[in-house]
Amino acid sequence: GAVVSQHPSWVICKSGTSVKIECRSLDFQATTMFWYRQFPKQSLMLMATSNEGSKATYEQGVEKDKFLINHASLTLSTLTVTSAHPEDSSFYICSARDSNSGRPDTQYFGPGTRLTVL
Amino acid sequence: RKEVEQDPGPFNVPEGATVAFNCTYSNSASQSFFWYRQDCRKEPKLLMSVYSSGNEDGRFTAQLNRASQYISLLIRDSKLSDSATYLCVVNMATGGFKTIFGAGTRLFVKA
Repeated sequence: GAVVSQHPSWVICKSGTSVKIECRSLDFQATTMFWYRQFPKQSLMLMATSNEGSKATYEQGVEKDKFLINHASLTLSTLTVTSAHPEDSSFYICSARDSNSGRPDTQYFGPGTRLTVL
Repeated sequence: RKEVEQDPGPFNVPEGATVAFNCTYSNSASQSFFWYRQDCRKEPKLLMSVYSSGNEDGRFTAQLNRASQYISLLIRDSKLSDSATYLCVVNMATGGFKTIFGAGTRLFVKA
């Protein structure tokens, strides 16, 4: 149980284009999902908290107009990197909490999306 | 000072060795604690939760010391497959749910 999927697993795009990443909880409902970014040899950095049916909460320094988050259902959150630039190249990972489990503070991670912007 | 600090390593140990990692956290309001492992270019996977009473899962033992604000992970009888980065994760409930990841400790187990 507690499986989270992400799509696509990798993407290469040209500078200036927008890229959408999907995060799905496959066997549980997730009122809250998280989006992280990880640069090589660094830890995960929380970008934003995605709340179903409401606006996402962004961490300091993360531009909400550049990283658009939509959490339209209890099993799907999307992150759109708008007007991507080479410095946005990174490993983007989502996670979800199973609100109905005995350990709602445990996060389950998607397999990640490796974004390369040329 | 970082909210969650770990020794980055790397720890290079032979198969069969016992290795221990420590992690310190700065916020006394921290409520729950976890160890995750992350393989190269993969997502983190939950290894185990850490409770005040400590817990053991096979070759892995996790301990929490709230007074000193540190968490430990002990791996006994290391296997080659234990080679990974081990992430210390701390959840806080201060004005909302917040998760802080340590930078990770790299472990290499060699034959």
